[in-house]
Amino acid sequence: GENVEQHPSTLSVQEGDSAVIKCTYSDSASNYFPWYKQELGKRPQLIIDIRSNVGEKKDQRIAVTLNKTAKHFSLHITETQPEDSAVYFCAAISWGKLQFGAGTQVVVTP
Amino acid sequence: DVKVTQSSRYLVKRTGEKVFLECVQDMDHENMFWYRQDPGLGLRLIYFSYDVKMKEKGDIPEGYSVSREKKERFSLILESASTNQTSMYLCASNIKGESYEQYFGPGTRLTVT
Repeated sequence: GENVEQHPSTLSVQEGDSAVIKCTYSDSASNYFPWYKQELGKRPQLIIDIRSNVGEKKDQRIAVTLNKTAKHFSLHITETQPEDSAVYFCAAISWGKLQFGAGTQVVVTP
Repeated sequence: DVKVTQSSRYLVKRTGEKVFLECVQDMDHENMFWYRQDPGLGLRLIYFSYDVKMKEKGDIPEGYSVSREKKERFSLILESASTNQTSMYLCASNIKGESYEQYFGPGTRLTVT
């Protein structure tokens, strides 16, 4: 089955700096890679996703890149703000099921 | 606006009790999922369902069962709760087809003593 590894587990950034979270997956048939954000005490919500037929996707301050050959994908947050503080989960789809990474706790300090 | 609700936010049960966690979605979604969330382990799939009366095992089904008698409702059952089932339980749903986005409920924090 699919195995998704996510790094780092915690990330502390200064407000205004960039944050990068990296994930690797094992199933070469995976074709959909979402990122979920979970604020403290709230439910996970989709913030951006990418399909295997594109290499990069951007939405305002967040972007995701995908390298199919190397089987890794990354989330980039630019100009970080305090409201970006949350746990971020990457995921990959395999046989119709999402396999999630372990999560990255992002803390944005003023 | 998709709405996924769970019957309880917090639940405390004793070892050996039978526990029911209920999830309801109001968007006519075909697919429903139960996950448990533990620190450092992410979200792990327990069971999922693609249709009424249909269920499939996820990655960690041991100690759990599910029921889907109606399209909008998906129940997770702990037949005999154990302390290692203390966790946050999240329900999710999505529509069948090309959109894989899953919509999550608020979660149930279950403590088994």
